[in-house]
Amino acid sequence: GESVGLHLPTLSVQEGDNSIINCAYSNSASDYFIWYKQESGKGPQFIIDIRSNMDKRQGQRVTVLLNKTVKHLSLQIAATQPGDSAVYFCAEIEYGGSQGNLIFGKGTKLSVKP
Amino acid sequence: GAGVSQSPSNKVTEKGKDVELRCDPISGHTALYWYRQSLGQGLEFLIYFQGNSAPDKSGLPSDRFSAERTGGSVSTLTIQRTQQEDSAVYLCASSLGLAGGWETQYFGPGTRLLVL
Repeated sequence: GESVGLHLPTLSVQEGDNSIINCAYSNSASDYFIWYKQESGKGPQFIIDIRSNMDKRQGQRVTVLLNKTVKHLSLQIAATQPGDSAVYFCAEIEYGGSQGNLIFGKGTKLSVKP
Repeated sequence: GAGVSQSPSNKVTEKGKDVELRCDPISGHTALYWYRQSLGQGLEFLIYFQGNSAPDKSGLPSDRFSAERTGGSVSTLTIQRTQQEDSAVYLCASSLGLAGGWETQYFGPGTRLLVL
């Protein structure tokens, strides 16, 4: 989701449940998408990426889905664990010109209840 | 292997003072980026270095902000005459620099700057 002002949207899930975090991206010409995880007091950490010619990519416990028709990206986390609690944000990259265009989303806060 | 490192991890300064923030990128990464992250906000791009090319300074918010990258490795972000609105986490990232533009970036832990 998108944030408004200083408040990030929050997703609260029970430990063991699956989580789905959404991102509405803005540039229909973006070629490449990345999900980052940022824990409190740390820098963003790369989770998974996907190119625009794909609609799904799976990693370890994570799946990214890309719907270019509606410019929507989602991150699915299976069997969510307390260690997954963090802010998750997407980044979109358009290649082209001298260096292209990079846009970061503002993030969604995932809170995992034990 | 070693990731991106930044120093100091925390910096408290008084309004009007100058500060220097340091970033050591991943060895072999030719691209280096500086971002600012205010409380609850997304990443705000500041400046981008790619190899020996002139840096992209389009994100620097004012002429009080400057950055250097010496020898294509370590970078220093300098904020002169700090203001309270400069308080934020300053993040550095690096990437391989193969794509000729934006690509997957790996972030450091950040420097938390507080201007009193």
